[in-house]
Amino acid sequence: GAVVSQHPSWVICKSGTSVKIECRSLDFQATTMFWYRQFPKQSLMLMATSNEGSKATYEQGVEKDKFLINHASLTLSTLTVTSAHPEDSSFYICSAKSPQGNNQPQHFGDGTRLSIL
Amino acid sequence: AQKITQTQPGMFVQEKEAVTLDCTYDTSDQSYGLFWYKQPSSGEMIFLIYQGSYDEQNATEGRYSLNFQKARKSANLVISASQLGDSAMYFCAMRSFNNAGNMLTFGGGTRLMVKP
Repeated sequence: GAVVSQHPSWVICKSGTSVKIECRSLDFQATTMFWYRQFPKQSLMLMATSNEGSKATYEQGVEKDKFLINHASLTLSTLTVTSAHPEDSSFYICSAKSPQGNNQPQHFGDGTRLSIL
Repeated sequence: AQKITQTQPGMFVQEKEAVTLDCTYDTSDQSYGLFWYKQPSSGEMIFLIYQGSYDEQNATEGRYSLNFQKARKSANLVISASQLGDSAMYFCAMRSFNNAGNMLTFGGGTRLMVKP
């Protein structure tokens, strides 16, 4: 079964709306979660590393005021796309790694397809 | 900096045949892990197989095996007895164990299409 749950799966909303996406680790505590963006037929692009109890670390070129990340507990990280516009339409996917051992993979949520009209 | 290269944007394979998906990587780290993920059209990322840089044997998981050649910095995925359900995007990824952030670096992906 899924070890990382992401919600919602689909969002269609008007331009200017803020959208919150949740990422939950179900079977383990995740001090670190990751947020990716994926354009059609492209690879995953790391947007930011979400750290429990502290500020997220954003990758170069990612607007921290546009993509707000909150990691308030060991099992929940949220990504809020503020005042979304059509160019923010994309597939967003989160992941978390079990703390047990280097050979443990990152587990991914099922992703969120965001469409801004 | 780490870099993952997947040179095959798309591949066809006949059902029941084996296929090899290429992955080369570049890193100055000595301790790292290599991962393969499958992404069907529905979008979820499915973990397939892991290879540690110090593992002496090639990893195997069911129909998946990893042809790990450390000196060449390659970690090719071999899928045996292809099935129609194997049609998907496949991503090779690496994580440095020197990186406390545990972040993965992904390759550009290979789209595999299995023909009946």
